[in-house]
Amino acid sequence: GQQVMQIPQYQHVQEGEDFTTYCNSSTTLSNIQWYKQRPGGHPVFLIQLVKSGEVKKQKRLTFQFGEAKKNSSLHITATQTTDVGTYFCAGYTGTASKLTFGTGTRLQVTL
Amino acid sequence: DTEVTQTPKHLVMGMTNKKSLKCEQHMGHRAMYWYKQKAKKPPELMFVYSYEKLSINESVPSRFSPECPNSSLLNLHLHALQPEDSALYLCASSQEALQLQPQHFGDGTRLSIL
Repeated sequence: GQQVMQIPQYQHVQEGEDFTTYCNSSTTLSNIQWYKQRPGGHPVFLIQLVKSGEVKKQKRLTFQFGEAKKNSSLHITATQTTDVGTYFCAGYTGTASKLTFGTGTRLQVTL
Repeated sequence: DTEVTQTPKHLVMGMTNKKSLKCEQHMGHRAMYWYKQKAKKPPELMFVYSYEKLSINESVPSRFSPECPNSSLLNLHLHALQPEDSALYLCASSQEALQLQPQHFGDGTRLSIL
């Protein structure tokens, strides 16, 4: 079945440093969504990418969808303590309605 | 505040008990989902309801029985659960069960099986 892996599993940064998480799918994705889950919280939708090579920005967050639509990345510039949480990519394949979540990257930010 | 409400927030039950998890949304969404999430793992899809009909069952054991009484409500009936079923159960909704729809999650029910 479809597998979506993320690296790294965990990253600890000092506030102000940059952070990147990479998402890789075993199959071509129709589109990809990104979610953030704070400790003890629930996943919250961040963004969706649909087109090959698409890049979207949300303030300090930059999202990319790979040309082959099998990988994606999320880059955070100048992290803040409010960025703490686990970041999941999630994708669909073909015409299926099943959203498959990546393994997640847990981000810890300290002062 | 989340727009998807789940009750109870916590549930402890024995393996012979019968209990139900409830989920409610008032966003007019026509697709609702149940996910299971173990600690430090991603959410795993269990069921999808579209227009109150079950459209996806991810080979979930029959001790989990979903029900969608109307477009705003989703239940998950539990019976004879196993200790490995202890997890966070998340409900989500989206406008339609289509790929380009973001999903809105509730806070979840943290379930412990004794």
